[in-house]
Amino acid sequence: KAGVTQTPRYLIKTRGQQVTLSCSPISGHRSVSWYQQTPGQGLQFLFEYFSETQRNKGNFPGRFSGRQFSNSRSEMNVSTLELGDSALYLCASSFETGKAKNIQYFGAGTRLSVL
Amino acid sequence: KQEVTQIPAALSVPEGENLVLNCSFTDSAIYNLQWFRQDPGKGLTSLLLIQSSQREQTSGRLNASLDKSSGRSTLYIAASQPGDSATYLCAVNPDNYGQNFVFGPGTRLSVLP
Repeated sequence: KAGVTQTPRYLIKTRGQQVTLSCSPISGHRSVSWYQQTPGQGLQFLFEYFSETQRNKGNFPGRFSGRQFSNSRSEMNVSTLELGDSALYLCASSFETGKAKNIQYFGAGTRLSVL
Repeated sequence: KQEVTQIPAALSVPEGENLVLNCSFTDSAIYNLQWFRQDPGKGLTSLLLIQSSQREQTSGRLNASLDKSSGRSTLYIAASQPGDSATYLCAVNPDNYGQNFVFGPGTRLSVLP
């Protein structure tokens, strides 16, 4: 069974640009969460999508947005990039029912560098 | 606002030792707690998930306990091996409505051969 797939693995952008990251969850998972990981702030929750609807949202500015498609694949977008947006962006998916409920399965992440 | 701390920040032990990693959270109203490991430059791997109604969970050489009322969890690793070297993070899920885990800063573990 394929794991959580994030693309691209690495990205280099300049300030002011926008970027879109993609996440394909494990087959059958309908919940997709996004996290930002930096050396200074650690892992911080961005938002969660379930059945194409944003179910939870972290404390990030409106420049960070996301969406989920009918096949549960998710994208996150960051507009008007700032230097502080440089981070590892992680996506996690999970089941909603059964023994594996709530267990988060993470992708390898997308490392974004903003110059 | 929920805050999660982990002690120690880093730990170096010789192979074969038993060790304990600590996690504390400020708000005891949690739905579940999860322990993860992260290898350098990679994503997270879930190790153990403890529901709020449970006291402990075990998987192989790993045992995690939860004392919700005091806001604490411990991860016990028996007979440590060099392959256990990684950063260990604990995370709490504040409610039953979705997956919005609050993570601790992690404990960096080095197991020396």
